[in-house]
Amino acid sequence: GDSVTQMEGPVTLSEEAFLTINCTYTATGYPSLFWYVQYPGEGLQLLLKATKADDKGSNKGFEATYRKETTSFHLEKGSVQVSDSAVYFCALSDRTNAGKSTFGDGTTLTVKP
Amino acid sequence: GAVVSQHPSRVICKSGTSVKIECRSLDFQATTMFWYRQFPKQSLMLMATSNEGSKATYEQGVEKDKFLINHASLTLSTLTVTSAHPEDSSFYICSARGGGRGYTFGSGTRLTVV
Repeated sequence: GDSVTQMEGPVTLSEEAFLTINCTYTATGYPSLFWYVQYPGEGLQLLLKATKADDKGSNKGFEATYRKETTSFHLEKGSVQVSDSAVYFCALSDRTNAGKSTFGDGTTLTVKP
Repeated sequence: GAVVSQHPSRVICKSGTSVKIECRSLDFQATTMFWYRQFPKQSLMLMATSNEGSKATYEQGVEKDKFLINHASLTLSTLTVTSAHPEDSSFYICSARGGGRGYTFGSGTRLTVV
């Protein structure tokens, strides 16, 4: 079945540091890939997505590129802020699996001033 | 566009009672909605797929008689936790597909059973 493996956390960075959160996946079909962000006590918000190989999703300074050859969708940001502190989930949605979303375990990011 | 409203955001109930959680797509029609459960510091686990006008499809290990799902209209799905017990305490999140933006999540419901 489909699965998502996400870099283990927690991750603690200083403000303006470079961020990478690794994500790899396995899927039977051709999935769409997503990064979601969850702030404390809140639901999930879509951060960015990519629907086919070599697509790059970007939003709020975050980027991720759909790499089919390495089955990866790593999240990056060049300069993190304290307000980026949250839990980040990598996910995939596979049309061959009735469109259900499969989530990684989440990575907690804490950015210190 | 593509807003999903989930209500209530927090609920505390006594053991043995039932709790209903609503998930509404405010500005689009959603023939399919999904219900997830999230334990503290863990990822989301899909509980069931809610299909408008038909029975929900439950994931393996989810008790359909305990977690009743009703998707009576194109904009509303409800999850009722029946005879709740402390082990049902969790964060429940719905998502809806549609509105041209793929999947949109609700803000979640924190259920505490005492």
